[in-house]
Amino acid sequence: GAVVSQHPSWVICKSGTSVKIECRSLDFQATTMFWYRQFPKQSLMLMATSNEGSKATYEQGVEKDKFLINHASLTLSTLTVTSAHPEDSSFYICSAREPSLGGYTFGSGTRLTVV
Amino acid sequence: AQKVTQAQTEISVVEKEDVTLDCVYETRDTTYYLFWYKQPPSGELVFLIRRNSFDEQNEISGRYSWNFQKSTSSFNFTITASQVVDSAVYFCALRGNNNDMRFGAGTRLTVKP
Repeated sequence: GAVVSQHPSWVICKSGTSVKIECRSLDFQATTMFWYRQFPKQSLMLMATSNEGSKATYEQGVEKDKFLINHASLTLSTLTVTSAHPEDSSFYICSAREPSLGGYTFGSGTRLTVV
Repeated sequence: AQKVTQAQTEISVVEKEDVTLDCVYETRDTTYYLFWYKQPPSGELVFLIRRNSFDEQNEISGRYSWNFQKSTSSFNFTITASQVVDSAVYFCALRGNNNDMRFGAGTRLTVKP
């Protein structure tokens, strides 16, 4: 089946530093990937749609310069949280659409803690 | 605009009880997909079911069943004879023509022994 690998599963960083999260489709090509953020006891909120070879599409209220998305290949999308602050601490999950199945596969998530 | 409403924030049942999780959606798309996911404490999303808007057949998978009613824009999920391992947050989600997925707020189910 379609597998999406997300790395790291958890990360602790200091305020002001940047953190990169990777999302890889392991056995299929994903022209489109999605990044979600989930605060404790809340739902998943779509942050942006990552398109291979072009700029990401950000949801309203999501800062493009703070959450840098790069989708340089058909199997890899990265989310970089720049100049992280404690309020960026959250659970970040990516997903990719597997074209032949039409379904969406989610990564296992990354728990970011900014101290 | 697409919207998914899960009115039940938390539900608590005793093992072996049946429980239904409600999901109501809004969309202007004629073609859309509905999903249910389970999120255990570990955080990963476990896919349970996908339903397209043209298929209103109800589905049963073991102790799980889903009732899709286009007339009321609902896609409810029932767990029969609940077990402690069913304790998790359950999300209903909708995907329309623009391909991104919108999630409901989630329902936290606690099954007590």
